[in-house]
Amino acid sequence: EADIYQTPRYLVIGTGKKITLECSQTMGHDKMYWYQQDPGMELHLIHYSYGVNSTEKGDLSSESTVSRIRTEHFPLTLESARPSHTSQYLCASRLDGYNEQFFGPGTRLTVL
Amino acid sequence: AQSVTQLDSQVPVFEEAPVELRCNYSSSVSVYLFWYVQYPNQGLQLLLKYLSGSTLVKGINGFEAEFNKSQTSFHLRKPSVHISDTAEYFCAVTPANAGNMLTFGGGTRLMVKP
Repeated sequence: EADIYQTPRYLVIGTGKKITLECSQTMGHDKMYWYQQDPGMELHLIHYSYGVNSTEKGDLSSESTVSRIRTEHFPLTLESARPSHTSQYLCASRLDGYNEQFFGPGTRLTVL
Repeated sequence: AQSVTQLDSQVPVFEEAPVELRCNYSSSVSVYLFWYVQYPNQGLQLLLKYLSGSTLVKGINGFEAEFNKSQTSFHLRKPSVHISDTAEYFCAVTPANAGNMLTFGGGTRLMVKP
């Protein structure tokens, strides 16, 4: 069973606030990913990391930033939230050499 | 670059009926293919995957999919659906031997009616 956690599960926040979405996995996976998913739509990769101190931007441009200081932790930060950031954010991880990505439950963000 | 097209955004079906969810992909290189399921307010769960070998792949919950290279398709099937199969299903592709960046289709909402 996959052990990848995201907090908070739901967040409603006002415009201009700084927020951090947490993602942690206890599987020792070196590769981690952040996807953005609008309701009823496909997932788009916004950030990924191949290991500690490695972060890259994904296919979809995003105003968010990420960090990877520890293997198990891959937080995503929005410095100033806007209504256009309203979406679901899904975190995933994968072990090098294996093809399956394991997904967290997601954070549903609403910016008023 | 790869792309994935899920031809049906919604598929309504009665309980115990068979179902097929269609997926076509485009790629200039060999690919690995995946089907994920997403239940309401949850993350994605892997149903099955094709990496190589037999083109008929069996997954969890009674689902199976067939890889057809000539038609660049990877359709998902189940012979008899249950109410609990109601969910969003995503087809995804990644280049074989090249970093495992998943490209997702737009999703198909399977609605099983009693």
